[in-house]
Amino acid sequence: ETGVTQTPRHLVMGMTNKKSLKCEQHLGHNAMYWYKQSAKKPLELMFVYSLEERVENNSVPSRFSPECPNSSHLFLHLHTLQPEDSALYLCASSQERGWGEQYFGPGTRLTVT
Amino acid sequence: AQKITQTQPGMFVQEKEAVTLDCTYDTSDQSYGLFWYKQPSSGEMIFLIYQGSYDEQNATEGRYSLNFQKARKSANLVISASQLGDSAMYFCAMRMDSNYQLIWGAGTKLIIKP
Repeated sequence: ETGVTQTPRHLVMGMTNKKSLKCEQHLGHNAMYWYKQSAKKPLELMFVYSLEERVENNSVPSRFSPECPNSSHLFLHLHTLQPEDSALYLCASSQERGWGEQYFGPGTRLTVT
Repeated sequence: AQKITQTQPGMFVQEKEAVTLDCTYDTSDQSYGLFWYKQPSSGEMIFLIYQGSYDEQNATEGRYSLNFQKARKSANLVISASQLGDSAMYFCAMRMDSNYQLIWGAGTKLIIKP
C-alpha cells in the first residue's frame, strides 16, 4: 500500500449505530487530519494530530471522536449521528503540522439514515 | 477574516485549450502559502501546485502554473493544453503561517469537452 488509505470507502449507518472510520498513511508523516466535505461547501477541518497528539479540534460535536494510536493510523469513531452528518470524510497527512502539502486518502462516503 | 473565493462554480473547456481557474484570497497575514488541489470523481484530493507568499517567481509544475498577483490577492491556476483527464473539481486553499490551518475555497468544476 502506498500513500494514504481509508476504509471503508462507503458506509451507511442508522442514527443509533456506532461505527469507525480508519485511515492509514504510508508516507512517514508526523501530522494527520480529518476533514468533512459536504456538497457545495468548502472543506471543513475537524481534527489535527501531530505526533499522535491532538492539537486542534474545530468545535466538532462530541458524536465524532478521533483516535490516533500512532503516527501512521487515525480513526474517527462515530455514534448517534444525525442525517446532516452525511458527507465525504477525508483523511490527510503531511510531513509536519502546517508544513508542506497535505496528501489525502480517497475518503469515506458516509450516509446516515 | 481569512477567506478564499473561487468565483467560477463550473467551466466547460475544449480539449487542448488552456484554462484559467480563478482564486482570490483575503488575509492580513504577511506570511502564507497557496495551494491548488484536484479532486476527480473518485474523491481523492490530489496536490497540484504551491506558491509561498514570499516567492518571487510564479510556481510551475508540468502543465500547471500559478499566476500569483500578490497586490491583487489572486492566485489563479493555469492549465495548459487541457486533456480529458483534467475534468474534475479544483480547489484553491490558503495556509496562514500564523496558525497552520488550511482555508479552502468552494471549488470549481472543470469539464473538458472532446
